[in-house]
Amino acid sequence: AQKITQTQPGMFVQEKEAVTLDCTYDTSDPSYGLFWYKQPSSGEMIFLIYQGSYDQQNATEGRYSLNFQKARKSANLVISASQLGDSAMYFCAMRASGTGNQFYFGTGTSLTVIP
Amino acid sequence: GEEVAQTPKHLVRGEGQKAKLYCAPIKGHSYVFWYQQVLKNEFKFLISFQNENVFDETGMPKERFSAKCLPNSPCSLEIQATKLEDSAVYFCASTRPRNTEAFFGQGTRLTVV
Repeated sequence: AQKITQTQPGMFVQEKEAVTLDCTYDTSDPSYGLFWYKQPSSGEMIFLIYQGSYDQQNATEGRYSLNFQKARKSANLVISASQLGDSAMYFCAMRASGTGNQFYFGTGTSLTVIP
Repeated sequence: GEEVAQTPKHLVRGEGQKAKLYCAPIKGHSYVFWYQQVLKNEFKFLISFQNENVFDETGMPKERFSAKCLPNSPCSLEIQATKLEDSAVYFCASTRPRNTEAFFGQGTRLTVV
């Protein structure tokens, strides 16, 4: 069975500080991808970053980086230099090639950036 | 452009009426997914397509929901005889065959009254 767990319902961070949003996953499929999405209050789903299970290096995209620890089955999102516009819901998702290719989502973390 | 286009943005239907939602995937993306977001933090998988073929429909409530992806047309999700519990935001996403990146549309907010 595929499962994504986000254990932090809500997080606060001071503007300009870094923050880590946790995500653990469970799959028996050796080939999978991990995704992070941002959903602001306006409702759209914004793709942030992707990590493949065979990628040797941690993914980075601007201020976003993914701390991928395969043995621990964790894929934490690190946002550096937080900005007020980072306040949103953040969803971790997994897609495994052997399970119909659908995305499995976590329950999200609500991030609030404090000025 | 690189955008999944969903229409309409908002849709209001009376209970029992039909609702039809559209999704134009990004050109070159051969997989299309439909998801229903009922609560703010819960995504329910409905159906996926590989090109115009149904790939996985395990999440579809088949008695009232149907979906198609025909060549040279937007994909569609149709709900016959809507119920109050169908009120949700419906997202469409498209990806290339390999796992790299996956983009979601803006969503269609369906309200059944």
